[in-house]
Amino acid sequence: ETGVTQTPRHLVMGMTNKKSLKCEQHLGHNAMYWYKQSAKKPLELMFVYSLEERVENNSVPSRFSPECPNSSHLFLHLHTLQPEDSALYLCASSQVLRSSYNEQFFGPGTRLTVL
Amino acid sequence: AQSVTQLDSQVPVFEEAPVELRCNYSSSVSVYLFWYVQYPNQGLQLLLKYLSGSTLVKGINGFEAEFNKSQTSFHLRKPSVHISDTAEYFCAVSDRGNTGFQKLVFGTGTRLLVSP
Repeated sequence: ETGVTQTPRHLVMGMTNKKSLKCEQHLGHNAMYWYKQSAKKPLELMFVYSLEERVENNSVPSRFSPECPNSSHLFLHLHTLQPEDSALYLCASSQVLRSSYNEQFFGPGTRLTVL
Repeated sequence: AQSVTQLDSQVPVFEEAPVELRCNYSSSVSVYLFWYVQYPNQGLQLLLKYLSGSTLVKGINGFEAEFNKSQTSFHLRKPSVHISDTAEYFCAVSDRGNTGFQKLVFGTGTRLLVSP
């Protein structure tokens, strides 16, 4: 595997279910990101982990719970979601450079549908 | 905080015609600027980036963009498009934010539709 991988690619869940999205990066990066992509809206940054520590949490509802056990893996745990949470969830990784930009590499996304 | 405006939600164009996708950002301070492309059922792929130096930036697949500081714009161009260029294009600007961690702020995207 190369780059950034995400599983599953598609997920359909009911509002009472609990599921998890998985992201894995094979690039040796030290930061990972979760984004939500909804139709006609900008990509919304949800969470950022740098060196396995959460550095950004953009007012995301508690029904979304991230986990970063190491620098290569990132999870998004989902429970009691709402239909408006249906979207494409994108994972990205980057090498954090304090003095410069940090180009992000994206995975293919998980298409989530909440019934 | 930074913001990005992509005024055109959709741009239809014929194959082999030139195209320009517009992007304006909010701040005149030093920024890093990016264009990403998203093909159907895929994640985002970096097309090109402006960090400093020459205002004309060349990227992959024959695309280029010009950084214009006075107009706070970073428009994407291609002199001759192919059917395979049909995709969603996102402009993004770096923003250090309140936490000091540098992140990207994206526009709403422009769908490029290339027809024969």
